[in-house]
Amino acid sequence: GAVVSQHPSRVICKSGTSVKIECRSLDFQATTMFWYRQFPKKSLMLMATSNEGSKATYEQGVEKDKFLINHASLTLSTLTVTSAHPEDSSFYICSARENRGGQPQHFGDGTRLSIL
Amino acid sequence: AQSVTQLGSHVSVSEGALVLLRCNYSSSVPPYLFWYVQYPNQGLQLLLKYTSAATLVKGINGFEAEFKKSETSFHLTKPSAHMSDAAEYFCAVRSQGNLIFGKGTKLSVKP
Repeated sequence: GAVVSQHPSRVICKSGTSVKIECRSLDFQATTMFWYRQFPKKSLMLMATSNEGSKATYEQGVEKDKFLINHASLTLSTLTVTSAHPEDSSFYICSARENRGGQPQHFGDGTRLSIL
Repeated sequence: AQSVTQLGSHVSVSEGALVLLRCNYSSSVPPYLFWYVQYPNQGLQLLLKYTSAATLVKGINGFEAEFKKSETSFHLTKPSAHMSDAAEYFCAVRSQGNLIFGKGTKLSVKP
């Protein structure tokens, strides 16, 4: 089945650091990838939709300069949390959908980001 | 706008008992509906999907869901719960290419 690999699985770093999270579709091409944030005991909040070769579409209230998204190829999207602060600590999950119509989204295993 | 509502944030069953997790949707067009499972500190795994074919959809791990248009429901069931089924379950509807998730239902399984 379709596999999405997300790396790293856990990051602990100091306030002010920038952190990059990678999301790869391993056995399929994904024109569109999605980035979610999940707060403790909450559902997933869509942050942005990433389209290969174009700018990401951010949801209302998500700072695009804070959360930089790059989708350079059909199998790779990256999320960079710039100048991270403790309030950015969260569980970030990426997702990718196959290009064929009607296909479900496949999710990575998530990245637990902890900012000290 | 499309949305999903999951009734019950926490469901507890005994091992071997029937599992029923409720999901109702709101959609102005024929929906694509999904159930995902999330284990602690992991991403989401697709259990099953409805894409306007058969109304009874069978998924992985013995789960199934029935699409009922008259009730705007897509409830998830499993005849006999296993301890390994303990997790968070999310119902979702596709809207304009994105997934809209319900708030999730945590399933606990008692020995």
